[in-house]
Amino acid sequence: EIVLTQSPDTLSLSPGERATLFCRASQSVSSSHLAWYQQKPGQAPRLLIYGAYRTAAGIPDRFSGSGSGTDFTLTISRLEPEDFAVYYCQHYGSSLLFTFGPGTKVDIK
Amino acid sequence: QVQLVQSGAEVRKPGSSVKVSCKASGGTFSKYAFNWVRQAPGQGLEWVGRVIPILERAEYAQGFQGRVTITADSTTSTVYMELRSLRSEDTATYYCARVDFSSGQPFYFDYWGQGALVTVSS
Repeated sequence: EIVLTQSPDTLSLSPGERATLFCRASQSVSSSHLAWYQQKPGQAPRLLIYGAYRTAAGIPDRFSGSGSGTDFTLTISRLEPEDFAVYYCQHYGSSLLFTFGPGTKVDIK
Repeated sequence: QVQLVQSGAEVRKPGSSVKVSCKASGGTFSKYAFNWVRQAPGQGLEWVGRVIPILERAEYAQGFQGRVTITADSTTSTVYMELRSLRSEDTATYYCARVDFSSGQPFYFDYWGQGALVTVSS
């Protein structure tokens, strides 16, 4: 079973700054099986990135994903006020079909 | 547009059961798998299971085997999740989430319902 870890737990930044979030898998995974979601308080998660780097429909181009093997990154190039939220990575596997990382909270510094 | 509309909040006593529904609109029901993902208060996301209506097949996370049943009614485009033998640890918001097989990459959730809070308390 693949285990996902995310770092940091919390990222305190100011609007306009660059945010870099990390997701590490316990073993090498297919890039096509890695996705990222944003969740704001009281709301359902929203798909941001799939296939490690493909941006979902309607997602601003300040969001980008990269990585391969065990290490993946979500980058927000310039934080907007609406980007302060919790971000989860997710993997699709053959045994436990869907697993999530524990999340990274991006809050306002 | 695509919508997944879930039933409302529920309160149940320990040992009882709950059944939550999710009505899909804005797409071809047979092209999708419908999943249930839960989130305990202040916690992360946990996959519960899924149903693939066109195959009439359901699959469950190991921790829920024997206690959960996920079904689909293609005539009403509605998916159901029944969780039995409820305990306090099952208190969570339960989300339905869609996977689109026609995308060629059925490895992520492209649309989510609004969530349904299930509270288990004596």
